[in-house]
Amino acid sequence: EAQVTQNPRYLITVTGKKLTVTCSQNMNHEYMSWYRQDPGLGLRQIYYSMNVEVTDKGDVPEGYKVSRKEKRNFPLILESPSPNQTSLYFCASSRQAGTEAFFGQGTRLTVV
Amino acid sequence: AQTVTQSQPEMSVQEAETVTLSCTYDTSESDYYLFWYKQPPSRQMILVIRQEAYKQQNATENRFSVNFQKAAKSFSLKISDSQLGDAAMYFCAYRSGSYSGAGSYQLTFGKGTKLSVIP
Repeated sequence: EAQVTQNPRYLITVTGKKLTVTCSQNMNHEYMSWYRQDPGLGLRQIYYSMNVEVTDKGDVPEGYKVSRKEKRNFPLILESPSPNQTSLYFCASSRQAGTEAFFGQGTRLTVV
Repeated sequence: AQTVTQSQPEMSVQEAETVTLSCTYDTSESDYYLFWYKQPPSRQMILVIRQEAYKQQNATENRFSVNFQKAAKSFSLKISDSQLGDAAMYFCAYRSGSYSGAGSYQLTFGKGTKLSVIP
């Protein structure tokens, strides 16, 4: 089954404790991206990747890192999480940059 | 930068009736794509319908159709014969079709419209 898989689905952590949210797709898509969703703000792009080893900032990259060492994986790293990063996070992939995005199930992150 | 505006934070519709959700966008590009995504309480983002800007014909998917007015930069979603399962947040989204530098291909979302379906 074609899908985008994120883990974990839920995560509660403390301020400053490094964490990684994994994202994997099995559709051989070139384009992958991370979004955060906050009430009243819709979804905003954090980082995106157009291919292996090619990443760039989206609208809200501060406090986040990403890497794209393999085509299928695109982890999101929070080196020192803060409470303002409490949010719902989505990973998405696309066959090409201009086509529709397929989303993972979402990761609910709470930073206390 | 492109912007997407959904002016209706909440809407409701009677079951079996028709409802239209509004979306306007701002862009100077001629090559782009527009999407409607549905987010039910499960939080999953589900593609409802897509429209290529170069196509004049409005996209349809079963009970879902769009009214794409390119000159007016309007992209509304019509849901016919509304069902209880249609209750969700609906997001309109824009994506450029051509590369013009960093950030070109990002999906830009509106803030969403929460649709309630009344039995």
